[in-house]
Parts: sequence; structure tokens; C-alpha cells
Amino acid sequence: EAGVTQSPTHLIKTRGQQATLRCSPISGHTSVYWYQQALGLGLQFLLWYDEGEERNRGNFPPRFSGRQFPNYSSELNVNALELEDSALYLCASSPGTLEQYFGPGTRLTVT
Amino acid sequence: QKEVEQDPGPLSVPEGAIVSLNCTYSNSAFQYFMWYRQYSRKGPELLMYTYSSGNKEDGRFTAQVDKSSKYISLFIRDSQPSDSATYLCAIRHMDTGRRALTFGSGTRLQVQP
Repeated sequence: EAGVTQSPTHLIKTRGQQATLRCSPISGHTSVYWYQQALGLGLQFLLWYDEGEERNRGNFPPRFSGRQFPNYSSELNVNALELEDSALYLCASSPGTLEQYFGPGTRLTVT
Repeated sequence: QKEVEQDPGPLSVPEGAIVSLNCTYSNSAFQYFMWYRQYSRKGPELLMYTYSSGNKEDGRFTAQVDKSSKYISLFIRDSQPSDSATYLCAIRHMDTGRRALTFGSGTRLQVQP
């Protein structure tokens, strides 16, 4: 069974630009979670999508947004990039139970 | 106060040792507990999850939860160099509308051959 996939692996952007990160969940999983893992801050929850709807968001500004498509894949958009947005962005999928399975992440570097 | 605190380590042990990794949490509304392992530059890998006080065993790994003390532990028996990684505890709120995980800061483990 294929795991969670994320693209791109690495992304380099300039401050003020927009970044789009993509996630494909495990087949059959309807929930997608986005987390940010920044150096020194640990893993922090960003957004939760389930059945195409945003269900909950973490303590992040509105320039972090996303969506979930009918095939349950998801996209995270970060507008007006700031230097402190540099981090590993992790996507996790879940079949609606306790387990969340993570992808390999997208490393975003903002210069 | 952070919702979940984890001993940061790093922890260095000889191969074959028993490893104890620990976390404490502050809010009794957190009722679900997970342990993840993260190798360098990889995504976290789910090791175990539990929701009741007591022990849960899976091979060389044992997860222990004490809800009265708000204390969770992961024990690794017969540790191997391949166990060298960062271990993250994660907790989830009992509210089904709050399914996001809250993570500890992680403990880096090094098992010396």
C-alpha cells in the first residue's frame, strides 16, 4: 500500500512570494492534516481537512490556507512568505480513526 | 505552560539497553496517546497508540500511560543502533472536533553499537 506522498521535496522561495505544497493521502483515507516542523519549535498543527471541508485550524495567520479536493488530496498555500516560514511541512492522512500517517514532508526555504 | 512536555535528551545508550522515554501533559481532556519515531530528514512514523491507562506492548516496544499522573512513557527493550532517531510523544483531545495531535518537543536517542 502506498504511503502519503508530498510534493515538491524541496521548495525555495523569496520573502513575499507564495508557496503551494501538495499532499496525496493513503488510499481510502478521507482526512488530511498539515503540520509545520520549524527548528526549535517542534511539530505544530496547521490545518485539518475532512471530506473536502476545513474542520479545524491551528494558531497560524490566515495567510496559511489550503483546500481538499474530491479525491481527498490536499494543497497548502502560504501567502506573503516570511523568513520564519522556513520549515519542514508535513502532511498526515487518517481514515478517521486515531492513527495519523505522515508523509516525508516538503522542506520550504524562504530567502 | 506547554500542553505536553518531553525530556529533550539527547539520550545515549549502549546496544541492548532498555530505554525509557517520557512525557507529561497538563490537561485531562487529552485522552489519546501516541508515540512516533522520526529519522533525520524524514516524516514521523507511528509506533504505537493507546487510550487507556496501563501498558500496551508491541514487540520490543511498550507504551505506558498513567492518566492519574498525566504521565506517558515508551520503553524500548534490547535497543538496537537502528533505533537511533528522535522519538515524539503526541496527545489528542477527547473532543472529536479536535483531532489534531499536540506533540512533545522530541527526545533524540543514540544507541551505540
